[in-house]
Amino acid sequence: DVKVTQSSRYLVKRTGEKVFLECVQDMDHENMFWYRQDPGLGLRLIYFSYDVKMKEKGDIPEGYSVSREKKERFSLILESASTNQTSMYLCASSLTGGQGNQPQHFGDGTRLSIL
Amino acid sequence: AQSVAQPEDQVNVAEGNPLTVKCTYSVSGNPYLFWYVQYPNRGLQFLLKYITGDNLVKGSYGFEAEFNKSQTSFHLKKPSALVSDSALYFCAVCPDFNKFYFGSGTKLNVKP
Repeated sequence: DVKVTQSSRYLVKRTGEKVFLECVQDMDHENMFWYRQDPGLGLRLIYFSYDVKMKEKGDIPEGYSVSREKKERFSLILESASTNQTSMYLCASSLTGGQGNQPQHFGDGTRLSIL
Repeated sequence: AQSVAQPEDQVNVAEGNPLTVKCTYSVSGNPYLFWYVQYPNRGLQFLLKYITGDNLVKGSYGFEAEFNKSQTSFHLKKPSALVSDSALYFCAVCPDFNKFYFGSGTKLNVKP
């Protein structure tokens, strides 16, 4: 069974801090994703990566960056945290198959509060 | 622009009754379609997907979904709801390589 592990379930940080969210998957998936989930807005894609050291911007990349130095690990970085980045952050991974017919597997999320 | 609509924020149904959670989409081409479920304080879990073929797709926990190309809809159904089905349900479409678009979610409440 695929396991996607996010390092923290709950995190509280201060405005202006640099924040790191870590995600690890154990199924050798090529693709990894970071979303944020806000009530009424569903999931919005921040960044994704289809290979080590590769990254693509999603729909809302502003204020975020990512790092993928190893295949199993995908980090989301808030360069200078702001209160409007308070949210639930979800990491996901998937195999590369056809044109996206592989489901994404999600971690349990990190609920981040910026004070 | 690509979009996925779940027109109902909440669906209430009595245990044992059939349930439907609606999803319509507006994307280019022939997308792949998915349903996910999210329980409180958990990530999303994959329920089922439509790739091609039969318009009725069966998935986990007794759920199924009906694809209607002319109406660009992909409604989630279950013949007999359980209280344990209460959760947040997301429809998602994948029109191109690995990029998913999610609906805003529908909260399903199943009452005993």
